[in-house]
Order: sequence, then structure tokens, then C-alpha cells
Amino acid sequence: KQEVTQIPAALSVPEGENLVLNCSFTDSAIYNLQWFRQDPGKGLTSLLLIQSSQREQTSGRLNASLDKSSGRSTLYIAASQPGDSATYLCAVTDSSYKLIFGSGTRLLVRP
Amino acid sequence: DADVTQTPRNRITKTGKRIMLECSQTKGHDRMYWYRQDPGLGLRLIYYSFDVKDINKGEISDGYSVSRQAQAKFSLSLESAIPNQTALYFCATSEDLNYGYTFGSGTRLTVV
Repeated sequence: KQEVTQIPAALSVPEGENLVLNCSFTDSAIYNLQWFRQDPGKGLTSLLLIQSSQREQTSGRLNASLDKSSGRSTLYIAASQPGDSATYLCAVTDSSYKLIFGSGTRLLVRP
Repeated sequence: DADVTQTPRNRITKTGKRIMLECSQTKGHDRMYWYRQDPGLGLRLIYYSFDVKDINKGEISDGYSVSRQAQAKFSLSLESAIPNQTALYFCATSEDLNYGYTFGSGTRLTVV
């Protein structure tokens, strides 16, 4: 059974800092990995999608990497801003085409 | 209009009542999903459908049922609501594995 783990569960950083969020998964047989952002009480916004054949994707200040063989992904946020404060969720599409989520990292960027 | 619309946005219901949550999408995708989110936890899959004739149970389907009325509509029912079904419910759609998922804004359900 695929399991997705995100570390740390919560993170507080001063504005301007570069930071890394971690995601690990137990079964390397995935089709893709997706990072989402969730604001309190709100829906999910897709940030980046990495196919299993890709190593990384970039969008603005965000960069996500994927190492499928070791079951790991990282989300790098450059020059963090208070507006980046949210919960970040990692999810993998497993071999039966289901999207399996981690429990998220709650990020607070202090002004 | 939103790509994925969920109704209602918020609902309070009593234990034992039947309730239906509705989802519609305008993206023309075949695949639709229902997830539930509890505080501090990620999303867990309740049911999913890859086309109008294909319905599958997810990891937490007990106490729930679904109906795929059309390609664009996928409803989730709680036949007899119980307090531990209090959660945030999300509907999602996807085209295929080459594209990501699009989520609705969620329905906050409280069972008292």
C-alpha cells in the first residue's frame, strides 16, 4: 500500500529565507507527483506536476524535484514571502491511478 | 465559473439524516473523485469514477455511496450521517495521467 509522508509537519521562517519541504513515498511505482497549496478552509491549488520520467519542474520561485528510485521529492521555495503561508500537500498517482496524499506541511512566513 | 463546483459549501445536519453532496465540472474530463479531509490529515479517497459506467471504492468508502449521473456530475451521499463524518469534502477531476487534478472549493459538513 502506497504511503506518503511529509516532513516537517510545520515550519516557521522569517521572510526572505529559502526553504525546502520534503515528501517521501513508499512505492516507487508512481505515474506522477503533484504539489498543492491549501489556504485555511479553502480548496487545493495545484502548484507543480512532475511526471515519473521527469526530474524536476519549475514555476516562478518554486522548484520541485523527483527522485523516483529513492521515493523522494522536494519543494524548494526561494525568497519566501508572507503570502506563501499555507499548507503544502504532496500527492502521488499510484499504480492503480489513485492520487494518494501526504498529511501536509504547514508553513508560516513571518514578516 | 469555477471548473469544479461543489454544493453546498457548508452544511450542518443531524445524526441519522440522509445528505447528498453534489459536484459538477466543466472541464469535460472522464475521471472524477471524492475525497475527505480531517484536521491535520491529508486527503483520503472515498470513491472514484473513470467514466459514467465505472465506479470504484476508495480507502474509506464505508457509510458513503455515489452516483455518476453524467460525465460532468458526480454526487456523494451519506445514507445515515454520523458525527465522525464531520469533515471537509472535496471533489476533483482529471483528464489523464499526463495532467494534474483540479479540485473544487470543498463542502464543510458538520454532523451533530
